[in-house]
Amino acid sequence: GAVVSQHPSRVICKSGTSVKIECRSLDFQATTMFWYRQFPKQSLMLMATSNEGSKATYEQGVEKDKFLINHASLTLSTLTVTSAHPEDSSFYICSARSQGTYEQYFGPGTRLTVT
Amino acid sequence: DAKTTQPTSMDCAEGRAANLPCNHSTISGNEYVYWYRQIHSQGPQYIIHGLKNNETNEMASLIITEDRKSSTLILPHATLRDTAVYYCIVRVMDSSYKLIFGSGTRLLVRP
Repeated sequence: GAVVSQHPSRVICKSGTSVKIECRSLDFQATTMFWYRQFPKQSLMLMATSNEGSKATYEQGVEKDKFLINHASLTLSTLTVTSAHPEDSSFYICSARSQGTYEQYFGPGTRLTVT
Repeated sequence: DAKTTQPTSMDCAEGRAANLPCNHSTISGNEYVYWYRQIHSQGPQYIIHGLKNNETNEMASLIITEDRKSSTLILPHATLRDTAVYYCIVRVMDSSYKLIFGSGTRLLVRP
């Protein structure tokens, strides 16, 4: 149980375009979802926290207009990278938490390359 | 959340125990110690967590010192598949539910 999926696993896009990444909880309802970014050989950096049906809370330094997060249902959150630039190339990982627990279950990650 | 300090890298031989230390000298009484690992290009995987008692599960054991200022994750019989970055995280169980990752320890299990 407690499986989180991400789609796509890899994506290449051109500079200036937008790309959407999906995060789904497959066998539980995710009250809260988290989005992380990881650059090569670095640790995970928390970008934002989203609760179902409400606006995401962004960490300091993360541009909310560039990284649009939607958590419209209890099993799906999306991260849209708008007007992507090469410096946005990174590994994006989501995690999900079900109601009543503190445990987070992580997705497999999405590797974004902006050319 | 309290800051943690871990060695940058370690190695051990396959089949031997891997002991990964973590220092969290500023931990508060209500903060838990969590361990996750991340195999290359995958999402993190939960290993174990504890408050003050030692804990054991099918993956590992967690030894927390009596003063709670440090802990050790023990993989009793390391395999090549245990090669990963291991993150020690100290967190308070509050309504933010956040996990803040430090730099972790890169464990290499040698054949």
